[in-house]
Amino acid sequence: GAVVSQHPSRVICKSGTSVKIECRSLDFQATTMFWYRQFPKQSLMLMATSNEGSKATYEQGVEKDKFLINHASLTLSTLTVTSAHPEDSSFYICSARASGRGQGTDTQYFGPGTRLTVL
Amino acid sequence: QKEVEQNSGPLSVPEGAIASLNCTYSDRVSQSFFWYRQYSGKSPELIMSIYSNGDKEDGRFTAQLNKASQYVSLLIRDSQPSDSATYLCAVRETGANNLFFGTGTRLTVIP
Repeated sequence: GAVVSQHPSRVICKSGTSVKIECRSLDFQATTMFWYRQFPKQSLMLMATSNEGSKATYEQGVEKDKFLINHASLTLSTLTVTSAHPEDSSFYICSARASGRGQGTDTQYFGPGTRLTVL
Repeated sequence: QKEVEQNSGPLSVPEGAIASLNCTYSDRVSQSFFWYRQYSGKSPELIMSIYSNGDKEDGRFTAQLNKASQYVSLLIRDSQPSDSATYLCAVRETGANNLFFGTGTRLTVIP
């Protein structure tokens, strides 16, 4: 299957700092990327959908000024958690959907996730 | 509001048995269906996709789709302890961008 990478895999930061997470599709072009958050023993929660070259669409309850998303190219999207606080500690997972039409492009592939701990 | 429902489990089966995981969805415009496996502390990985009514087999896994009844299931034959994980069902409407996920079923395969 297609490969999606995320960096960093784990980050620990102090409260009030900003953290940037990168998501890359390594062997395919992704017009759409998704950012999820998952708290322990809970299901995936979609935060936002980003399309290359346009503004991200945020889900209800997700602060767009706190979670900045940039999808500058067909292979890279970034999520910046600004002024992070302990309640932002979570597992952040990106996902990418291939470009084009047809069932082969219907699949979302997930990155390995980034575990954020805010002290 | 689309709903994707799964029994949260835990579902326990003995090693070598067939594990049956079920998922129902709330509306009829869903066209693409996916099963993901998520190990604890890891991100989801795609197991299978299915688009047409009937069965689709891949190794020990069989996905079954019944659009009239609005359910999709995953069978795991000859279950192994390494199959112990949470299995997520996901659906997408035709033309839509994002997937709707169920809450997942936790499977434990007992050696």
